[in-house]
Amino acid sequence: EVRLVQSGAELRKAGESLKISCEGSGYTFYTYWVAWVRQMPGKGLEWMGIVFPGDADPKYSPSFQGQVTFSADKSRNTVYLELNNLKASDSAMYYCARHRGITWGIDHWGQGTLVTVFS
Amino acid sequence: QAVLTQPSSVPGSPGASARLTCTLRSGIDVGKSMIYWYQQKSGSPPQYLLRYKSDSDNQQGSGVPSRFSGSKLASANAGILVISGLQSDDEADYYCMIWHDGTWVFGGGTRLTVL
Repeated sequence: EVRLVQSGAELRKAGESLKISCEGSGYTFYTYWVAWVRQMPGKGLEWMGIVFPGDADPKYSPSFQGQVTFSADKSRNTVYLELNNLKASDSAMYYCARHRGITWGIDHWGQGTLVTVFS
Repeated sequence: QAVLTQPSSVPGSPGASARLTCTLRSGIDVGKSMIYWYQQKSGSPPQYLLRYKSDSDNQQGSGVPSRFSGSKLASANAGILVISGLQSDDEADYYCMIWHDGTWVFGGGTRLTVL
């Protein structure tokens, strides 16, 4: 069974940083792309970008370029989303999600990590 | 103009069918696009339903009932998610997604209510 398990909810102060993890299992992790998707409270889904765990090659959506950092540790079957200089507007649910290929859509989702930023 | 436009809400009745549209921006050819559909129930992550490009090029998500199907309306440049035999459990937000200009793009989502 394919599973993507994300790290737990985070509460941070504005200006701080955080790193969310997403561990894959049930498939050959480093051969599939993993995307990050943001969902702000009461809003829709936003595709942030994608990373290939095999070589940690990230590709960012223009809307998120420079705002976030993706990384991967294939020895741990884990990808990471790093957010720096947090703002209240970064408060959202963040999902990791598996793509079969960069041009093949999402077929599995993580459970989500809720990030709350207070000032 | 957004790449993908979905109606914000669609009402449905138990046992009836619902058609949820996903309209592609002018200049993006729906005939060449593989459209992905996702269901998100309140408080849960999205789930993959299906992808549809044509009657000969489509795929149902694992375990997704055949009540969910895809189609297109070329005259409207739109993809359509058809849900037949509506059940109360189908009440959820539905999102379409396409690959466009080197990135993946979601529609704004449609809330389906089943009353």
